[in-house]
Amino acid sequence: EAGVTQFPSHSVIEKGQTVTLRCDPISGHDNLYWYRRVMGKEIKFLLHFVKESKQDESGMPNNRFLAERTGGTYSTLKVQPAELEDSGVYFCASSLKTEQYFGPGTRLTVT
Amino acid sequence: AQSVTQLGSHVSVSEGALVLLRCNYSSSVPPYLFWYVQYPNQGLQLLLKYTSAATLVKGINGFEAEFKKSETSFHLTKPSAHMSDAAEYFCAVSENDYKLSFGAGTTVTVRA
Repeated sequence: EAGVTQFPSHSVIEKGQTVTLRCDPISGHDNLYWYRRVMGKEIKFLLHFVKESKQDESGMPNNRFLAERTGGTYSTLKVQPAELEDSGVYFCASSLKTEQYFGPGTRLTVT
Repeated sequence: AQSVTQLGSHVSVSEGALVLLRCNYSSSVPPYLFWYVQYPNQGLQLLLKYTSAATLVKGINGFEAEFKKSETSFHLTKPSAHMSDAAEYFCAVSENDYKLSFGAGTTVTVRA
């Protein structure tokens, strides 16, 4: 069974540009989560989808971040425009019930 | 509000020695508690989970953790460290079993 996959593994963009991160959850997992780890800090919750609906987006930092999960399968997280403080590792996780399975993360560097 | 404090950002142990990683939590309701491990270039992997069924939780790779309500702690231990245990370990708490709050992580190095 394939695990959670994320694309790209690494992205380097300039301040002001747009980046879209993609997450493919484990097949059949209705729950999908986004987390972020900024350099040297804790992993922080961003939001939670149940199928295509946003269940909790209390962790989204501001309106430059937009998450979607059309059709309830894969999800994208768009940052527009990117700022220097957006640099970090973005993790996606999925779950059937309680145990969350994490992807390897996307390392985003904004210069 | 839920939060986690991990004591010690780096721990170095000798191969065969006890591994002890400390975690204290704060939660307004009976919490779910987790330990995750991240090996280089990989995602987080669940080591074990506390869900109030038993205070001593056994996980994968010989790790276990004990829930102590009076101390609000959930320390992770392994009796004998192996070189393959070198990784970063995260303690996490959840009040609703979906939104995880993580500690800052503890990097474990194992000396031969």
